[in-house]
Amino acid sequence: SYELTQPPSVSVSPGQTARITCSADALPKQYAYWYQQKPGQAPVLVIYKDSERPSGIPERFSGSSSGTTVTLTISGVQAEDEADYYCQSADSSGTYPVVFGGGTKLTVL
Amino acid sequence: EVQLVESGGGLVQPGGSLRLSCAASGFTFSSYWMHWVRQAPGKGLVWVSRINSDGSSTSYADSVKGRFTISRDNAKNTLYLQMNSLRAEDTAVYYCARDTAVAPFDPWGQGTLVTVSS
Repeated sequence: SYELTQPPSVSVSPGQTARITCSADALPKQYAYWYQQKPGQAPVLVIYKDSERPSGIPERFSGSSSGTTVTLTISGVQAEDEADYYCQSADSSGTYPVVFGGGTKLTVL
Repeated sequence: EVQLVESGGGLVQPGGSLRLSCAASGFTFSSYWMHWVRQAPGKGLVWVSRINSDGSSTSYADSVKGRFTISRDNAKNTLYLQMNSLRAEDTAVYYCARDTAVAPFDPWGQGTLVTVSS
């Protein structure tokens, strides 16, 4: 199987910077996507193709890639950013066309 | 406004069947690939299946292969998931999502809960 590895939880105080990582072997060759999910709601796309931000997503959300790790960065975290965040990608062979990371719970202290 | 609305969830006994629907509006449904993703209670997102724009090509996760069938009716702007031989581990909220050139899942529907229990 192919897995994307995320930390289970990240905690930051309001106004600080939160960084959530996602690691997998094929990430240098495959784009990564990030989704935010608040309790009781459907996921929402916040970053696409490693570092692009959809319209309507605040500028404090950014994405980056380095080797086998991609990172979602939330600058100046606000209380409303508390949510689960999932990375999503694919393996390089096509055997696993869609894979989600296990999710990271962001807690705003 | 792009909108996806799932329906058809409910309580079903192990071994039973259920058909989920996803009604699409606000975009040209026949031009987009579509996906089903599920989320067991308190757990993460798991991809289930996808279908291309004209319905001629489908893919499934190993966990549902041979039991679930994805299909679409472009005339009715509706995506379906036929689920047979249901198991307790299929209990989840099932989401449909549109696949665009930007991202595979944008937007998502609100989800429909499937509970498999005796």
